[in-house]
Amino acid sequence: KAGVTQTPRYLIKTRGQQVTLSCSPISGHRSVSWYQQTPGQGLQFLFEYFSETQRNKGNFPGRFSGRQFSNSRSEMNVSTLELGDSALYLCASSLLPRTTGGYTGELFFGEGSRLTVL
Amino acid sequence: TQLLEQSPQFLSIQEGENLTVYCNSSSVFSSLQWYRQEPGEGPVLLVTVVTGGEVKKLKRLTFQFGDARKDSSLHITAAQPGDTGLYLCAANFGNEKLTFGTGTRLTIIP
Repeated sequence: KAGVTQTPRYLIKTRGQQVTLSCSPISGHRSVSWYQQTPGQGLQFLFEYFSETQRNKGNFPGRFSGRQFSNSRSEMNVSTLELGDSALYLCASSLLPRTTGGYTGELFFGEGSRLTVL
Repeated sequence: TQLLEQSPQFLSIQEGENLTVYCNSSSVFSSLQWYRQEPGEGPVLLVTVVTGGEVKKLKRLTFQFGDARKDSSLHITAAQPGDTGLYLCAANFGNEKLTFGTGTRLTIIP
């Protein structure tokens, strides 16, 4: 079956601009999580969506936002871009959200969207 | 904030050698996963461990979950170039987020 698809794969923006990244989960998966990966900070949790509702949020400023559509596809948006937002943004899908008690299911990651802010 | 420290940060060894990488925390976690990430790709799950003291084997890879549920190790026997990648541990601390470790970048030299 098709894996997690993220678009675009690469993009370059300048400071102050905004960006929208898209993620299509594996068919049947209703939970989508977003992570930021940088060499200095590693993989950091941004947020998790399930059934169009944000179930959990990481410690990122309000410039980072997301949403999920009825078909489980998700988008994240970063407004007023800063140089420090340059990173690989990874989307992961799973059958259930982490907020489901005791759930330890696999996260299936996409290849990521590499954002460079100049 | 729960932190997962992995060691070593970088490891470069010859093909055929054995190695162990570690994942440690000061807090107890309910479950732990190991992922491997290759360049240009997202992480891929290797194993999930949920019971303190649990040992799981996946071909040449052996995963151990510490008795106190604060640490885990990954041992690779007879490393091969295909084992090259970034190894990440990820834990549930009970706060419903999956926290990833700092990563170990492994290079196997043919």
